[in-house]
Amino acid sequence: QVQLVQSGAEVKKPGASVKVSCKASGYTFTNYWIHWVRQAPGQGLEWMGWINPATGGTNYRQKFQGRVTLTTDTSMITAYMELRSLTSDDTAMYYCVRDPGNGWGFDPWGQGTLVTVSS
Amino acid sequence: QSLLTQPPSVSGAPGQRVTISCTGSSSNIGASAQVHVHWYQQIAGTAPKLLIYSNDRRPSGVPDRFSGSKSGTSGSLAITGLQAEDEADYYCQSYDTLSGYYVFGTGTKVTVL
Repeated sequence: QVQLVQSGAEVKKPGASVKVSCKASGYTFTNYWIHWVRQAPGQGLEWMGWINPATGGTNYRQKFQGRVTLTTDTSMITAYMELRSLTSDDTAMYYCVRDPGNGWGFDPWGQGTLVTVSS
Repeated sequence: QSLLTQPPSVSGAPGQRVTISCTGSSSNIGASAQVHVHWYQQIAGTAPKLLIYSNDRRPSGVPDRFSGSKSGTSGSLAITGLQAEDEADYYCQSYDTLSGYYVFGTGTKVTVL
């Protein structure tokens, strides 16, 4: 079945960087965009950006511009999200999710990766 | 600040019908017929799950107790025959043509009394 499996929880100090991976299975990786969405503790969902695995094209939310980089490794059928200059406000669950496009919604979602930023 | 507004909470007794609104604007939900509303269910401690896509379509496996609609600049999710397992947070999602961003609603907590 179609599945996205993310890397494990991370604890980082302020100012550090984190790189979260998202391994796909069950479908042709390059046919679907991957989005990254985060959720701070007790808060709602926040869209961060997308990447087109076929072309490497990306689009980032303005607030993350310059701090986030989305990449893919098509040979490893894995997407990555790197976030730099971490602060306590970046403490959140980070999700990758597949986008079938054409109004099909986001499906499926990865299980989430908890990133905790603490000194 | 989210561009899609939902009520913070709704509640109902088992078997009742509840609805959740998702209010947007002419730059997102109301921009065109090609801008859709999707709905996600997030049970506590788990990842969100697609519940409704393209305004009113159910993915395979989603009970027909869940239905969606879109009208003007708003979307709506209805749950009929409310069950204890429906207790969760629900989020709407769309696309904002002005910013080029994908946007989520503020989220609604459904409580089964």
